[in-house]
Amino acid sequence: KQEVTQIPAALSVPEGENLVLNCSFTDSAIYNLQWFRQDPGKGLTSLLLIQSSQREQTSGRLNASLDKSSGRSTLYIAASQPGDSATYLCAPPIYNQGGKLIFGQGTELSVKP
Amino acid sequence: DTAVSQTPKYLVTQMGNDKSIKCEQNLGHDTMYWYKQDSKKFLKIMFSYNNKELIINETVPNRFSPKSPDKAHLNLHINSLELGDSAVYFCASSQRGAGRINEQFFGPGTRLTVL
Repeated sequence: KQEVTQIPAALSVPEGENLVLNCSFTDSAIYNLQWFRQDPGKGLTSLLLIQSSQREQTSGRLNASLDKSSGRSTLYIAASQPGDSATYLCAPPIYNQGGKLIFGQGTELSVKP
Repeated sequence: DTAVSQTPKYLVTQMGNDKSIKCEQNLGHDTMYWYKQDSKKFLKIMFSYNNKELIINETVPNRFSPKSPDKAHLNLHINSLELGDSAVYFCASSQRGAGRINEQFFGPGTRLTVL
């Protein structure tokens, strides 16, 4: 059974800092992993999807890495801005179960001006 | 705009009532999902349909009945609503077998409050 853990649960940083959000999963037989952002009272926005054959995926100031063998993914945010404040969720899908996503509890990020 | 849309955005109702939530996607995807986000913000899969066929049915009370009239629509009907059904319900869609396999796109959510 896939279980996903995200550390830290909450993070507060001053504007401009580089930061790393961690995601670990128990079943390494995944074919990709998706990172989402959720703003308060809003839906989920897909940030990055990293395939199992990739080690990194970049979009703007965001960089996601994936190490299947160790069951870890990290989301690196460079030069953080107050607009980055949100909850960040990682989710690997289970392919032989219809591709359902298994979510971690998320990391609630607050970037102070 | 290409997107996953849900109606209504907010739903407030009394215990015991029956209600429906509708979802539509115009992304051309063949797979749609319902997820539930509880008061602790934990997201969990409920159902999934691929090409109108039910492929995921998690341990959900049978008061919840999904229906997919076509690939672009997935509705959720809930009978005899209970207080514990209060949550945010998210619809999502994806395309199976595409290059970016199973990247899921989410709707804005429906906040259900049962009084």
